[in-house]
Amino acid sequence: QSALTQPASVSGSPGQSITISCTGSSSDVGGYDYVSWFQQHPSKAPKVVISDVTKRPSGVSYRFSGSRSGNTASLTISGLQAEDEAHYYCISYTSSGTWVFGGGTKLTVL
Amino acid sequence: EVQLVESGGGLVQPGGSLRLSCAASGFTFTTYWIHWVRQAPGQGLVWVAHIFSDGNTAYADSVKGRFTISRDNAKNTVYLQMNSLRAEDTAVYYCVRDRPHWEWGQGTLVTVSS
Repeated sequence: QSALTQPASVSGSPGQSITISCTGSSSDVGGYDYVSWFQQHPSKAPKVVISDVTKRPSGVSYRFSGSRSGNTASLTISGLQAEDEAHYYCISYTSSGTWVFGGGTKLTVL
Repeated sequence: EVQLVESGGGLVQPGGSLRLSCAASGFTFTTYWIHWVRQAPGQGLVWVAHIFSDGNTAYADSVKGRFTISRDNAKNTVYLQMNSLRAEDTAVYYCVRDRPHWEWGQGTLVTVSS
């Protein structure tokens, strides 16, 4: 149950687009359509921004999108805004019947 | 409105036990897996365990044999019995409704320290 691999940090200027990767294996990210992304602001509970690889839940900004290529899932945020500054985590279902998170990525809006 | 309210956290000595509760409302409880996820101070999210309404469960290796997840469908409540607690179990524990909605409770802090 090793954590999925995410970059520790990414940054971008307001209005730009950024992409956060989440790399696993064929036993998790690449094997199931159950990859989701969460946004967490300091001292707050996480909030889902993408579910099931590409689905944007009701109420989540259209600026958030998800994709996957092989064993790597990606979260793209377009038109960066100051309020997007937060930690982002991916999660995937695994072939063991468990779930595994990525290590988390801190997004800084410059 | 979906609500998940955790309770039962607190300070416990190493080797001790604690039972967390998660009271759910606002959705059909029996149709969703419920997860426990924890976050140590300043660290990332870690999946702990999940349970379905039929009693099907799974655990992270780090807690297997020490933690037990259960649910009372009549009370719309999920429990996490934590035994043989270690300092590294210190974390905020969140109760989470399964995909695709992934709603989270506010969390309850468990501190394992002498």
